[in-house]
Amino acid sequence: NAGVTQTPKFRILKIGQSMTLQCTQDMNHNYMYWYRQDPGMGLKLIYYSVGAGITDKGEVPNGYNVSRSTTEDFPLRLELAAPSQTSVYFCASSYSGDRVATQYFGPGTRLLVL
Amino acid sequence: DQQVKQNSPSLSVQEGRISILNCDYTNSMFDYFLWYKKYPAEGPTFLISISSIKDKNEDGRFTVFLNKSAKHLSLHIVPSQPGDSAVYFCAASMYSGGGADGLTFGKGTHLIIQP
Repeated sequence: NAGVTQTPKFRILKIGQSMTLQCTQDMNHNYMYWYRQDPGMGLKLIYYSVGAGITDKGEVPNGYNVSRSTTEDFPLRLELAAPSQTSVYFCASSYSGDRVATQYFGPGTRLLVL
Repeated sequence: DQQVKQNSPSLSVQEGRISILNCDYTNSMFDYFLWYKKYPAEGPTFLISISSIKDKNEDGRFTVFLNKSAKHLSLHIVPSQPGDSAVYFCAASMYSGGGADGLTFGKGTHLIIQP
């Protein structure tokens, strides 16, 4: 199993550009999440999904959109990139059947907006 | 308003000694707590967790203690090894049955194990 994979690893965007961060998991997890981590800070939840076709906002959703058409994929879309979106983005997944809320994380996408 | 606080940005411990990482929380609705370990340029990896109905959970060299009345938890690593050098995040959840609303993270503590 590859676990949670994310692409790209690193990207530089100009202000106003758009891009999609890809996330795929092969563990058949129904829950998936997007977090961002700013320097010296903890991870903050952007969006999450409890299954295909169902998404909900987290703590910091502004400037982002998500979709969940399959169990495996949970892409994150930035429509109009701003310098405040410079961060490291982590995708995670978990299984609702587990008694514990353990989330498994991908390696991250480092985004720089100039 | 930080609901999960790790007040020590860094901690240096000699190899073989005990490492103690601390975490405080303010939201009494949290019922499940987790510790994640993170190396540079990698995603966080799950280390150990504890339910609010317990006060201790042990897994090999790692033990997590929970003091609900003080809203405080700690991670003990004994003995500390060079490979333990990493950033440790404390995280909390309100739904121990599945964590569907995501985790609330502290800012992390950078643990450095000195040879």
